[in-house]
This record gives sequence, structure tokens and C-alpha cells, in this order.
Amino acid sequence: QSALTQPASVSGSPGQSITISCTGTSSDVGSYNLVSWYQQHPGKAPKLMIYEVNKRPSGVSNRFSGSKSGNTASLTISGLQAEDEADYYCCSNAGSSRVFGGGTKLTVL
Amino acid sequence: EVQLVQSGAEVKKPGATVKISCKVSGYTFTDYYMHWVQQAPGKGLEWMGLVDPEDGKTIYSEKFQGRVTITADTSTDTAYMELSSLKSEDTAVYYCARNYYDSSGLSTGAFDIWGQGTMVTVSS
Repeated sequence: QSALTQPASVSGSPGQSITISCTGTSSDVGSYNLVSWYQQHPGKAPKLMIYEVNKRPSGVSNRFSGSKSGNTASLTISGLQAEDEADYYCCSNAGSSRVFGGGTKLTVL
Repeated sequence: EVQLVQSGAEVKKPGATVKISCKVSGYTFTDYYMHWVQQAPGKGLEWMGLVDPEDGKTIYSEKFQGRVTITADTSTDTAYMELSSLKSEDTAVYYCARNYYDSSGLSTGAFDIWGQGTMVTVSS
């Protein structure tokens, strides 16, 4: 199972919006509405931000949203804030297993 | 409060085996699958496998199949991940992560609660 493809880095200024893509195949992202997104700050465990493509767990800001089209899922962060600077990972079901994206480093300028 | 507390850092020699624990509290252990995720230094997340604590059934990533064993001890509410034939490339932080279910009890495929991570260093 190959890793999902994410851009290595994205950046944006405070208040702006950014979108991170996550491209898989018809065997993972394209077959399941079971895509999740995680935020990871340095030295910390990942935190669930989005599940089932576009649902937010309790406590996650509504500045975070998700979508999917075909084999590509996307995470959008609106109203960028300094604390959003982190690594972001997508994850999809692939049959009974899971596959992560390679990760995207978000820099808030 | 739901918590996953992992065992401490390990240093192992190539060819050795490491076993990491993940003790849960604040919820019914047998109601949630438990996953294990590897993160090499400066690298991304890699799913290793999962265990259903209710019956001990496991699913492993092809990458780790044959070297990884994930178990669950319901008497102590603890999940374990054992990795054998260690190589320098296995130097990483290993996380346990709980499967996330929606309000209907259906799996969302996501991981809602994570352990703090366990650093494993493989070096001669």
C-alpha cells in the first residue's frame, strides 16, 4: 500500500486560507468516505481534526473543513492563526487497513 | 478522562525484539479497536496494525507483517506491540491510538485518542 500524496509544504499569512491536498487511488481515498486529518505539533502526538472527509470532532475549530473529490481529499484552514503552524497528515481506509499521507508542513508567515 | 499511557523509551541492538505497552483508562477497553503507528525521526506517520481487544483479532500492515505482533490483555486493560528482528530503520516513535466510533457505534476509520509515544532506538 503506497502512501497518500500530500504537498511537502504550504504557507499562508495570518487571516488567509490555505488548502492541503491528499491524493490516493480508487483503492483507498476514492473508495471510502473514511478520510481523516491530523495536526501534529513538534514533539507532540497527532490530534484528530477531521474525520469521515468533512466532520469535525467536538472541540475542533470550525476554521477547519474537509472535502473530497474522486481520489483526492482536501483540508482547508480558514482565518489562519499562528498556532495552526504544524504538520498535517491525511489518512484513509484501504480495505481493512489504513494508509497515511506523507505529511504537509504548514508555515504561518 | 480517557487516557492511553505508553511505556518508556527503549534502546535495542539490531536483531533484538522490543515490546511496548499502552495502558488505557477512562473507557471500556474491549469496546474500541487499538491501532499502532510508527513515526521515524523527521518522517511521516506509518500505520502498523490494529487489535480488537474483545477477541484478540489483528490486522497488520503488509510492511510489518511477519515482524509485528499486536496483542491485548483485558485483565490489565493494556495493549502491546512487539516488533522483532529490529533494524536501524526501526528507530522511531511508536504511538498507540484508539479507533474512533460515531454516535451510532460505527467505525469512522479515524483515531481519536493517542498515547504520548514511545521512542525506540536501534543501535549497535
